[in-house]
Amino acid sequence: GAVVSQHPSWVICKSGTSVKIECRSLDFQATTMFWYRQFPKQSLMLMATSNEGSKATYEQGVEKDKFLINHASLTLSTLTVTSAHPEDSSFYICISDRGATNTEAFFGQGTRLTVV
Amino acid sequence: RKEVEQDPGPFNVPEGATVAFNCTYSNSASQSFFWYRQDCRKEPKLLMSVYSSGNEDGRFTAQLNRASQYISLLIRDSKLSDSATYLCVVTNQAGTALIFGKGTTLSVSS
Repeated sequence: GAVVSQHPSWVICKSGTSVKIECRSLDFQATTMFWYRQFPKQSLMLMATSNEGSKATYEQGVEKDKFLINHASLTLSTLTVTSAHPEDSSFYICISDRGATNTEAFFGQGTRLTVV
Repeated sequence: RKEVEQDPGPFNVPEGATVAFNCTYSNSASQSFFWYRQDCRKEPKLLMSVYSSGNEDGRFTAQLNRASQYISLLIRDSKLSDSATYLCVVTNQAGTALIFGKGTTLSVSS
């Protein structure tokens, strides 16, 4: 069945470095991928909408130059956290769109990022 | 006003108890509604969709009241394995992206 494979599951990095998170759609093509983050005891918040072959749409307050999104193919969307700082430590997760038939969305497994 | 509001809990109940969670949403244009379950440090998993007619799946019953913009989840005969955070989720106006509540934490004890 359809699956979104997200890697890495967890990463610890030093302040100032960049981290790339990949989401691959397996057995289906994801025209749109939504990127969320979740801080402890908070809800998953939409950061940006990634569309294959076009620029991502960012939610208010999310820096597009800091969170680089690339959706170069129908099966791969990436989020790069550039010059990471401790306040970027969070749980990042990608979720595919629900498609024209509005069926169930598919979730990546999430990436727990810790910046030290 | 937050888009999706839930009582964060925690709800601490004994095995066998019946527990109810409530949720309100602010956008009357939302079209689809769900309850998800999230275990610690994991991705959310779909528990059930919610319809105006109400729907039941085993011990779980979900209800939607569009007029009041209110969603509920009832869990009967709670099991230890029901311990998790339950997320109330609605779609955005376009019906594409999901909007999540903070979640209600349930702890079932023996």
